[in-house]
Amino acid sequence: SAVISQKPSRDICQRGTSLTIQCQVDSQVTMMFWYRQQPGQSLTLIATANQGSEATYESGFVIDKFPISRPNLTFSTLTVSNMSPEDSSIYLCSVEGQGTYNEQFFGPGTRLTVL
Amino acid sequence: AQKVTQAQTEISVVEKEDVTLDCVYETRDTTYYLFWYKQPPSGELVFLIRRNSFDEQNEISGRYSWNFQKSTSSFNFTITASQVVDSAVYFCALGGGYQKVTFGIGTKLQVIP
Repeated sequence: SAVISQKPSRDICQRGTSLTIQCQVDSQVTMMFWYRQQPGQSLTLIATANQGSEATYESGFVIDKFPISRPNLTFSTLTVSNMSPEDSSIYLCSVEGQGTYNEQFFGPGTRLTVL
Repeated sequence: AQKVTQAQTEISVVEKEDVTLDCVYETRDTTYYLFWYKQPPSGELVFLIRRNSFDEQNEISGRYSWNFQKSTSSFNFTITASQVVDSAVYFCALGGGYQKVTFGIGTKLQVIP
């Protein structure tokens, strides 16, 4: 299984500012995924990030609000831009295990509170 | 479209009781895969099990067991002799093509000592 780390683990931010979340994997992976988990809710996929190409966003999420970088096969960043209290959530990155139809392994998450 | 339904939003049991968490899924894919994850209060997601659509064999791992029934589109999870450390939110998830995974809303399990 992959070992995934995220920075920061938590943050409290002011409305209107932006926060960049980093995700580091201990092995090379083709795709990385970013999820949002709003308080008391399930996980919602924000986007899929492939190295060397633009991220693919799910319905309801746009690049201007959640720009993603994927500079290499072990690293990705998600920026939450122009934040509002509604962005208060846990943000998780994940990668898929080796092979076909494998489980996703998740990072520890970033707990974001927007005041 | 894929859908996962976890009808039980919260369950409370007394320690040592058995508890079953229900999961019903919908998909048009003929090949798909199902997962269970545990999210303790610390927040990180812990992978528990993966099951492919062509493998209906039930599985037991220690106190955990899973019952996969394609006929009823269900993938239920049973914890035997529950312990306080089992208290967490449990997510059932469904994967189809292109690695996209759909999560259920989760079942919050509280095990009372």
